[in-house]
Amino acid sequence: AQTVTQSQPEMSVQEAETVTLSCTYDTSENNYYLFWYKQPPSRQMILVIRQEAYKQQNATENRFSVNFQKAAKSFSLKISDSQLGDTAMYFCAFMNRGSARQLTFGSGTQLTVLP
Amino acid sequence: DAGITQSPRHKVTETGTPVTLRCHQTENHRYMYWYRQDPGHGLRLIHYSYGVKDTDKGEVSDGYSVSRSKTEDFLLTLESATSSQTSVYFCATTQGPENTEAFFGQGTRLTVV
Repeated sequence: AQTVTQSQPEMSVQEAETVTLSCTYDTSENNYYLFWYKQPPSRQMILVIRQEAYKQQNATENRFSVNFQKAAKSFSLKISDSQLGDTAMYFCAFMNRGSARQLTFGSGTQLTVLP
Repeated sequence: DAGITQSPRHKVTETGTPVTLRCHQTENHRYMYWYRQDPGHGLRLIHYSYGVKDTDKGEVSDGYSVSRSKTEDFLLTLESATSSQTSVYFCATTQGPENTEAFFGQGTRLTVV
């Protein structure tokens, strides 16, 4: 079974600054996917970024980028130029390549962007 | 937005009563899932379906059952609701084995009193 750990329950950052959210995971699989989801107060789950484990290059989506360290089983999310709209709960998630595509989530990090 | 609709959006029920939550999708996605979200636990998988009438248990399946008689509908039933099942429930779908993006419904807040 996979486990995903987010050790930072809450974080805050000043608007326009950069913040990094941490995530570690444990798996015996070699092929898998990792995700960061954002959940604003509306409760909607929004996909932020996806990383395929067999790709060494770190994924980037506009102001969001990841630092994927496969050997260390670490998958952190960096948000650059933080905006007030980035305030949300962020979940790290794991998906096995050979599975029925179910996700295993971390406990979440509540990020608050301060004006 | 993917066409995933959960009903009801909010429900308060009494301990011991049966409750059914419905997830309806218009995307013809093969896989459907039910998760529950609780503080400090993130989202945890209850049950999932990989096709019509094909379902399997997730991490926290005790006290829950599911049914999928049509591609578009996935029902979650609490046979006898308990206070520990007070939670926010999310339905999600993925298109198929070669697709990894999950699409989520808006969530159902269930309170068992």
